[in-house]
Amino acid sequence: KAGVTQTPRYLIKTRGQQVTLSCSPISGHRSVSWYQQTPGQGLQFLFEYFSETQRNKGNFPGRFSGRQFSNSRSEMNVSTLELGDSALYLCASSLEGAKNIQYFGAGTRLSVL
Amino acid sequence: AQKVTQAQTEISVVEKEDVTLDCVYETRDTTYYLFWYKQPPSGELVFLIRRNSFDEQNEISGRYSWNFQKSTSSFNFTITASQVVDSAVYFCALSGLIIQGAQKLVFGQGTRLTINP
Repeated sequence: KAGVTQTPRYLIKTRGQQVTLSCSPISGHRSVSWYQQTPGQGLQFLFEYFSETQRNKGNFPGRFSGRQFSNSRSEMNVSTLELGDSALYLCASSLEGAKNIQYFGAGTRLSVL
Repeated sequence: AQKVTQAQTEISVVEKEDVTLDCVYETRDTTYYLFWYKQPPSGELVFLIRRNSFDEQNEISGRYSWNFQKSTSSFNFTITASQVVDSAVYFCALSGLIIQGAQKLVFGQGTRLTINP
């Protein structure tokens, strides 16, 4: 069974631009969550999607948004990039429910110059 | 609010030593789940173990063992006879029951473990 796939693996953008990251979950998983990892703040929850609906959201500004498609693939968008948005963005997929294990992709490393 | 604390930022040991990574958590939920993940240099978080709040049995998997104690809100991880391949950042995480089965992991700050040959 294929794991969680994130594309691209690396991105370099400049301030003010926008970026879209993609995540393909494990087959059969309908829940997709996104996390931001930075040296200063650690791993922080961004949002979770299930059946094309955002069910839960972390404390991030509205510049961070996402969506999920009918095949459970998810995209995350960051508009008006700031230097502080430089981070490793991790996507995780799981079966529904808090008890279920989240399986992570290798992440997209975003650098904002 | 939920919180996970991993007080050890970095640990360095010599190969074959035993090492314990500490994890202390805070939650008001009566039902919750605890996890350990390993993050090698490649960046991917690798699942190691899940424990629910009603199961305080310790678990052993090869050289890995976990000690869950609700009385002290701790979920510690021990590696016996450490190997260089165990070098990684280890994260402890907590997930509580959220309405509609929503998922959200709260992570500790991680412990960077270095095993020296």
